[in-house]
Amino acid sequence: GAGVSQSPRYKVAKRGQDVALRCDPISGHVSLFWYQQALGQGPEFLTYFQNEAQLDKSGLPSDRFFAERPEGSVSTLKIQRTQQEDSAVYLCASSLRTRQGTSSGNTIYFGEGSWLTVV
Amino acid sequence: AQSVTQLGSHVSVSEGALVLLRCNYSSSVPPYLFWYVQYPNQGLQLLLKYTTGATLVKGINGFEAEFKKSETSFHLTKPSAHMSDAAEYFCAVGGTGFQKLVFGTGTRLLVSP
Repeated sequence: GAGVSQSPRYKVAKRGQDVALRCDPISGHVSLFWYQQALGQGPEFLTYFQNEAQLDKSGLPSDRFFAERPEGSVSTLKIQRTQQEDSAVYLCASSLRTRQGTSSGNTIYFGEGSWLTVV
Repeated sequence: AQSVTQLGSHVSVSEGALVLLRCNYSSSVPPYLFWYVQYPNQGLQLLLKYTTGATLVKGINGFEAEFKKSETSFHLTKPSAHMSDAAEYFCAVGGTGFQKLVFGTGTRLLVSP
Protein backbone atom coordinates (compact mmCIF):
# COMPACT_ATOMS: atom_id res chain seq x y z
CA GLY A 1 0.00 0.00 0.00
CA ALA A 2 0.89 3.66 -0.24
CA GLY A 3 1.26 4.23 3.48
CA VAL A 4 1.58 2.47 6.81
CA SER A 5 -1.63 0.60 7.49
CA GLN A 6 -2.83 -0.36 10.96
CA SER A 7 -5.72 -2.51 12.11
CA PRO A 8 -8.01 -2.42 13.87
CA ARG A 9 -8.41 1.33 13.94
CA TYR A 10 -10.51 1.12 17.09
CA LYS A 11 -10.62 -1.60 19.71
CA VAL A 12 -12.55 -1.79 22.95
CA ALA A 13 -11.31 -4.51 25.25
CA LYS A 14 -12.53 -5.68 28.61
CA ARG A 15 -9.94 -5.59 31.35
CA GLY A 16 -8.04 -8.84 31.34
CA GLN A 17 -8.64 -9.54 27.66
CA ASP A 18 -5.76 -10.09 25.23
CA VAL A 19 -5.50 -7.87 22.16
CA ALA A 20 -3.45 -7.97 18.97
CA LEU A 21 -2.71 -4.92 16.86
CA ARG A 22 -1.45 -5.28 13.33
CA CYS A 23 0.86 -3.07 11.30
CA ASP A 24 1.54 -3.24 7.56
CA PRO A 25 4.56 -1.03 6.85
CA ILE A 26 5.31 0.61 3.56
CA SER A 27 6.53 -2.01 1.11
CA GLY A 28 10.29 -2.40 1.23
CA HIS A 29 10.76 -0.54 4.48
CA VAL A 30 13.35 -2.23 6.63
CA SER A 31 12.79 -0.41 9.90
CA LEU A 32 9.58 -0.64 11.90
CA PHE A 33 8.70 1.11 15.12
CA TRP A 34 5.87 0.95 17.64
CA TYR A 35 4.93 3.95 19.75
CA GLN A 36 2.31 4.43 22.45
CA GLN A 37 0.46 7.75 22.70
CA ALA A 38 -1.62 8.35 25.79
CA LEU A 39 -4.35 10.95 25.72
CA GLY A 40 -2.87 14.45 25.68
CA GLN A 41 0.70 13.21 25.47
CA GLY A 42 3.34 12.80 22.84
CA PRO A 43 4.15 9.38 21.42
CA GLU A 44 6.52 7.24 23.46
CA PHE A 45 8.82 4.64 21.96
CA LEU A 46 7.97 1.00 22.58
CA THR A 47 10.09 -1.14 20.29
CA TYR A 48 12.07 -1.27 17.05
CA PHE A 49 12.62 -3.89 14.37
CA GLN A 50 15.16 -4.03 11.61
CA ASN A 51 13.75 -6.60 9.24
CA GLU A 52 12.68 -9.47 11.48
CA ALA A 53 15.12 -8.69 14.25
CA GLN A 54 13.82 -6.88 17.30
CA LEU A 55 16.79 -4.69 18.12
CA ASP A 56 15.31 -2.61 20.91
CA LYS A 57 12.37 -3.36 23.19
CA SER A 58 13.39 -1.07 25.99
CA GLY A 59 10.15 0.92 25.83
CA LEU A 60 7.76 -1.97 26.37
CA PRO A 61 6.12 -1.11 29.70
CA SER A 62 5.75 -4.64 31.04
CA ASP A 63 6.08 -8.28 30.12
CA ARG A 64 2.41 -8.20 29.11
CA PHE A 65 3.53 -6.42 25.93
CA PHE A 66 5.02 -8.46 23.12
CA ALA A 67 5.83 -7.55 19.53
CA GLU A 68 6.89 -9.64 16.59
CA ARG A 69 7.73 -9.29 12.92
CA PRO A 70 8.46 -12.86 11.86
CA GLU A 71 8.95 -12.34 8.13
CA GLY A 72 10.35 -8.84 8.22
CA SER A 73 7.21 -7.15 6.92
CA VAL A 74 3.94 -7.22 8.89
CA SER A 75 4.26 -6.69 12.62
CA THR A 76 1.92 -7.50 15.49
CA LEU A 77 1.85 -5.88 18.88
CA LYS A 78 0.19 -8.10 21.46
CA ILE A 79 -0.99 -7.00 24.86
CA GLN A 80 -1.94 -9.69 27.33
CA ARG A 81 -4.33 -9.26 30.25
CA THR A 82 -5.09 -5.66 29.33
CA GLN A 83 -5.35 -3.05 32.06
CA GLN A 84 -7.04 0.34 32.01
CA GLU A 85 -3.67 2.08 31.88
CA ASP A 86 -3.06 0.40 28.53
CA SER A 87 -5.72 2.63 26.96
CA ALA A 88 -3.89 4.68 24.34
CA VAL A 89 -3.27 5.07 20.65
CA TYR A 90 -0.67 2.64 19.37
CA LEU A 91 1.23 4.07 16.44
CA CYS A 92 3.26 2.06 13.99
CA ALA A 93 5.92 3.69 11.84
CA SER A 94 8.37 2.55 9.21
CA SER A 95 11.37 3.88 7.37
CA LEU A 96 13.22 2.74 4.30
CA ARG A 97 16.52 1.71 5.77
CA THR A 98 19.03 2.54 8.38
CA ARG A 99 22.36 1.25 9.54
CA GLN A 100 23.42 0.88 13.12
CA GLY A 101 25.89 3.48 14.21
CA THR A 102 25.33 5.81 11.28
CA SER A 103 23.28 8.92 10.92
CA SER A 104 20.89 8.25 8.10
CA GLY A 105 18.20 10.85 8.67
CA ASN A 106 15.67 8.67 6.87
CA THR A 107 12.11 9.86 7.04
CA ILE A 108 9.88 7.89 9.40
CA TYR A 109 6.30 7.45 8.20
CA PHE A 110 3.53 6.90 10.72
CA GLY A 111 0.26 5.04 10.40
CA GLU A 112 -3.04 6.42 11.65
CA GLY A 113 -2.86 4.38 14.81
CA SER A 114 -4.92 1.79 16.63
CA TRP A 115 -7.06 3.36 19.36
CA LEU A 116 -7.33 0.96 22.30
CA THR A 117 -9.81 1.53 25.09
CA VAL A 118 -9.80 -0.86 28.01
CA VAL A 119 -12.99 -0.90 30.06
CA ALA B 1 19.79 10.84 27.04
CA GLN B 2 17.56 13.02 24.94
CA SER B 3 14.51 15.11 25.79
CA VAL B 4 12.24 17.72 24.27
CA THR B 5 10.35 20.56 25.89
CA GLN B 6 7.53 22.27 24.06
CA LEU B 7 6.56 25.54 25.67
CA GLY B 8 2.83 26.10 25.68
CA SER B 9 0.33 23.29 25.41
CA HIS B 10 -1.99 25.61 23.46
CA VAL B 11 -1.23 28.48 21.11
CA SER B 12 -3.98 30.66 19.65
CA VAL B 13 -3.54 32.89 16.62
CA SER B 14 -5.76 34.73 14.21
CA GLU B 15 -5.91 33.73 10.58
CA GLY B 16 -3.11 35.54 8.75
CA ALA B 17 -1.01 36.04 11.87
CA LEU B 18 2.48 34.68 12.51
CA VAL B 19 2.69 31.19 13.96
CA LEU B 20 5.49 30.47 16.45
CA LEU B 21 5.68 27.11 18.21
CA ARG B 22 8.59 26.68 20.60
CA CYS B 23 10.76 23.62 21.03
CA ASN B 24 13.88 23.18 23.13
CA TYR B 25 15.85 19.97 23.19
CA SER B 26 18.49 18.24 25.21
CA SER B 27 20.85 15.77 23.60
CA SER B 28 24.24 14.33 24.45
CA VAL B 29 24.92 13.65 20.77
CA PRO B 30 24.45 15.81 17.69
CA PRO B 31 20.69 15.84 17.34
CA TYR B 32 18.35 15.16 14.51
CA LEU B 33 15.26 17.31 15.00
CA PHE B 34 11.76 16.88 13.62
CA TRP B 35 8.40 18.58 13.62
CA TYR B 36 5.31 16.46 13.07
CA VAL B 37 1.68 17.52 12.74
CA GLN B 38 -1.28 15.45 13.88
CA TYR B 39 -4.82 16.16 12.76
CA PRO B 40 -7.71 14.73 14.78
CA ASN B 41 -7.97 10.96 14.61
CA GLN B 42 -5.00 10.73 12.29
CA GLY B 43 -1.39 9.67 12.53
CA LEU B 44 1.67 11.88 12.49
CA GLN B 45 2.76 13.66 9.34
CA LEU B 46 6.30 14.96 8.97
CA LEU B 47 6.47 18.72 8.49
CA LEU B 48 10.23 19.11 8.35
CA LYS B 49 13.47 17.75 9.72
CA TYR B 50 16.97 18.91 10.52
CA THR B 51 19.84 16.48 10.16
CA THR B 52 23.00 18.31 9.14
CA GLY B 53 23.90 21.31 7.02
CA ALA B 54 21.74 24.39 6.68
CA THR B 55 20.23 25.41 9.99
CA LEU B 56 17.11 26.96 8.45
CA VAL B 57 14.88 24.16 7.31
CA LYS B 58 11.86 24.59 5.10
CA GLY B 59 9.00 22.15 5.25
CA ILE B 60 5.59 21.55 3.83
CA ASN B 61 2.62 23.91 4.01
CA GLY B 62 4.82 27.00 4.39
CA PHE B 63 6.37 26.00 7.71
CA GLU B 64 10.02 26.42 8.54
CA ALA B 65 12.25 25.94 11.57
CA GLU B 66 15.68 27.10 12.57
CA PHE B 67 18.19 24.98 14.45
CA LYS B 68 20.05 27.09 17.00
CA LYS B 69 22.67 25.03 18.73
CA SER B 70 23.65 27.78 21.18
CA GLU B 71 20.06 28.02 22.38
CA THR B 72 19.29 24.29 21.99
CA SER B 73 16.15 25.35 20.16
CA PHE B 74 14.24 24.32 17.06
CA HIS B 75 11.24 26.64 16.92
CA LEU B 76 8.60 26.22 14.21
CA THR B 77 7.27 29.25 12.36
CA LYS B 78 4.86 30.16 9.59
CA PRO B 79 4.41 33.74 8.40
CA SER B 80 0.65 33.58 7.93
CA ALA B 81 -1.69 31.11 9.61
CA HIS B 82 -4.50 29.38 7.76
CA MET B 83 -7.55 27.80 9.31
CA SER B 84 -6.34 24.46 8.00
CA ASP B 85 -3.22 24.73 10.19
CA ALA B 86 -5.27 24.02 13.32
CA ALA B 87 -3.85 20.76 14.66
CA GLU B 88 -1.48 19.28 17.24
CA TYR B 89 2.21 19.82 16.61
CA PHE B 90 4.97 17.64 18.02
CA CYS B 91 8.67 18.33 18.17
CA ALA B 92 10.94 15.30 18.33
CA VAL B 93 14.64 14.60 18.72
CA GLY B 94 16.60 11.61 17.48
CA GLY B 95 20.23 10.69 17.27
CA THR B 96 22.50 8.32 15.45
CA GLY B 97 21.69 4.72 14.80
CA PHE B 98 18.15 3.61 14.32
CA GLN B 99 16.47 6.92 15.00
CA LYS B 100 14.45 6.20 18.07
CA LEU B 101 12.55 9.45 18.46
CA VAL B 102 11.80 11.25 21.70
CA PHE B 103 8.73 13.46 21.40
CA GLY B 104 7.57 16.50 23.27
CA THR B 105 4.12 16.66 24.80
CA GLY B 106 2.74 18.61 21.87
CA THR B 107 1.29 22.06 21.22
CA ARG B 108 -2.27 22.48 20.02
CA LEU B 109 -2.54 25.31 17.51
CA LEU B 110 -5.89 27.07 17.39
CA VAL B 111 -6.62 29.42 14.48
CA SER B 112 -9.51 31.86 14.71
CA PRO B 113 -11.07 33.68 11.77
